[in-house]
Amino acid sequence: GENVEQHPSTLSVQEGDSAVIKCTYSDSASNYFPWYKQELGKRPQLIIDIRSNVGEKKDQRIAVTLNKTAKHFSLHITETQPEDSAVYFCAAISDNYGQNFVFGPGTRLSVLP
Amino acid sequence: NAGVTQTPKFQVLKTGQSMTLQCAQDMNHEYMSWYRQDPGMGLRLIHYSVGAGITDQGEVPNGYNVSRSTTEDFPLRLLSAAPSQTSVYFCASEGTAFTGELFFGEGSRLTVL
Repeated sequence: GENVEQHPSTLSVQEGDSAVIKCTYSDSASNYFPWYKQELGKRPQLIIDIRSNVGEKKDQRIAVTLNKTAKHFSLHITETQPEDSAVYFCAAISDNYGQNFVFGPGTRLSVLP
Repeated sequence: NAGVTQTPKFQVLKTGQSMTLQCAQDMNHEYMSWYRQDPGMGLRLIHYSVGAGITDQGEVPNGYNVSRSTTEDFPLRLLSAAPSQTSVYFCASEGTAFTGELFFGEGSRLTVL
């Protein structure tokens, strides 16, 4: 089945700096890659996603890039703000896994003022 | 529009007790699922359903039962609680068009003593 790895597990940045979180996946049939943000004590919420026919997608300060050949995708957050502090999860969906989401273990991002 | 509603939010059980976590959604979503969240392990799929009357196992199904008698409801049953089932449980649903976005409930924190 699909396996998703995520690095780093924790990340601290100064406010205004950029943050990058990387994920790798194992199933070449995976075709959809969402990112979820989970604030402390809250539910995960979708912040951005990318499909396998696209290499990059941006939404204001966040962007996601996908390298299908290397089977990895990354979340980029620019001009970080304290409200970006949260746990971020990447996920992959494969037809081989019944279209179920396979999540990475998460990255705890702390933005220091 | 309430979205995905989970109850209870907190529960303490003794080893061997049984209980049911309730999940309901009012978005007419065909796909529903249950995840457990443990530190450093991300979100792991327990069971899922692609429609009323259809359920299937995810990555970690042992010790849990589900049923899907209606489109709206997807309860998760713990048959004989064990300390290893101490976790935060999330119910999630996704629209029939497979938009790719999971809508999560608020979570249920379960402690098994």
